[in-house]
Amino acid sequence: DVKVTQSSRYLVKRTGEKVFLECVQDMDHENMFWYRQDPGLGLRLIYFSYDVKMKEKGDIPEGYSVSREKKERFSLILESASTNQTSMYLCASNDRYSYNEQFFGPGTRLTVL
Amino acid sequence: AQSVTQPDIHITVSEGASLELRCNYSYGATPYLFWYVQSPGQGLQLLLKYFSGDTLVQGIKGFEAEFKRSQSSFNLRKPSVHWSDAAEYFCAVGPSMEYGNKLVFGAGTILRVKS
Repeated sequence: DVKVTQSSRYLVKRTGEKVFLECVQDMDHENMFWYRQDPGLGLRLIYFSYDVKMKEKGDIPEGYSVSREKKERFSLILESASTNQTSMYLCASNDRYSYNEQFFGPGTRLTVL
Repeated sequence: AQSVTQPDIHITVSEGASLELRCNYSYGATPYLFWYVQSPGQGLQLLLKYFSGDTLVQGIKGFEAEFKRSQSSFNLRKPSVHWSDAAEYFCAVGPSMEYGNKLVFGAGTILRVKS
């Protein structure tokens, strides 16, 4: 069964802290994505990666960075967390060549105090 | 640019009643269209997708959607709603040769089911 896991379901951090959100997929997918979900705004793409060590900015990359050292793992990094980064973060993956649907993890609800 | 509009932020229906959730898209070519559902505290689950062919597509949990190119719409329907259908529903378009392997999501519609 297809599986995308995220390291934490809930996370509380302080302003200025460095935050790591981890995502792992077991489907050997080339593409991985990080989204931010806010009420009334739907899902907005932060960054995506189509291969190891490759990354591309999405629609709202400011304040975030990513790392993909292994094919199955895609990390989202908040270098210095701010209160306006309080949100739900969703990771997804899919196969590069089939234009298939994206498979989502359960999400991490991050609160920055 | 691609965009997706879900005009209804909230919809409330009675259990057993029919349901239609609206989705309109703006896209330069033949779109790939998706409906996802998100139960409270969960990630997104794919309900159905349209790539080509028959414009009426069947999905899981008794849902169906119809692609209407002339109206740029991909509305989701269910003939009889169950209380467990209460969730948030997202329409999405893409990916494409033009924009690569990205999905563009609508803002979502929250479905409430009253008994």
